[in-house]
Amino acid sequence: DAKTTQPPSMDCAEGRAANLPCNHSTISGNEYVYWYRQIHSQGPQYIIHGLKNNETNEMASLIITEDRKSSTLILPHATLRDTAVYYCIAQTGANNLFFGTGTRLTVIP
Amino acid sequence: SQTIHQWPATLVQPVGSPLSLECTVEGTSNPNLYWYRQAAGRGLQLLFYSVGIGQISSEVPQNLSASRPQDRQFILSSKKLLLSDSGFYLCAWSGQTNQPQHFGDGTRLSIL
Repeated sequence: DAKTTQPPSMDCAEGRAANLPCNHSTISGNEYVYWYRQIHSQGPQYIIHGLKNNETNEMASLIITEDRKSSTLILPHATLRDTAVYYCIAQTGANNLFFGTGTRLTVIP
Repeated sequence: SQTIHQWPATLVQPVGSPLSLECTVEGTSNPNLYWYRQAAGRGLQLLFYSVGIGQISSEVPQNLSASRPQDRQFILSSKKLLLSDSGFYLCAWSGQTNQPQHFGDGTRLSIL
C-alpha cells in the first residue's frame, strides 16, 4: 500500500476554504484515496474517497491529480467544528486502513 | 441508515482482570467488522477483522481475542488484561471491497 505524506498542521480562517494536501507518489493503479477526520476523543469519521476522478459530496471535495501522485481535500467553507486531525490514506480495498499522523487542521474564528 | 454502537464509552479495569467490549451494527447485513486500538497521540492499529460469522483474522499477536457470534455483533475479549492494553478501542464496519469504513464512538480503556 502506498505511503502518504501530509503536513503536520494547518490553520484556516473560519468561512474560508480549507485545502489539505496529500502526497501519495507510489500509489498503484488500483489503490483508492480515502480521507477521514478525527475530532478529539471521537472515532474517525469518513469524509470522501476516490480512485481517479474528482469527487464531491455534502462534506467536501476531493481533487486527484491526473498522475494520481497527490490529492487535495477541500472543505469549501470551514467552520470551527471542522477543527480535527485529517487523515489521507491510499490503499487497496478498505480492509486495513493505515492511519498515519495526519494533518491537524485548526479553524480560527 | 446504518448505525454502529460500542459500549461502554469508558472503562477502568485492574491488571489481570477479564475484558469484554461489544460492538453492534444496525441497518446492514453481512458487514465487514473491525477492531482497532489507538494509543495516545498515535495512529490506529488494526487488531482484528471479520468478513462473516465465526471468521476472524488477527493482525497483531497479543493477549486479546475477537469473536463474531452473530452477523452484526463483534466482541473484543481478554482473559487477563495487561497494563499495555490501555488505549482507545474502536470498532468499525464496512460494506464490501473498496467501501469506506465507518467507526463507532470508541471505548477508552484504562488499566490500573
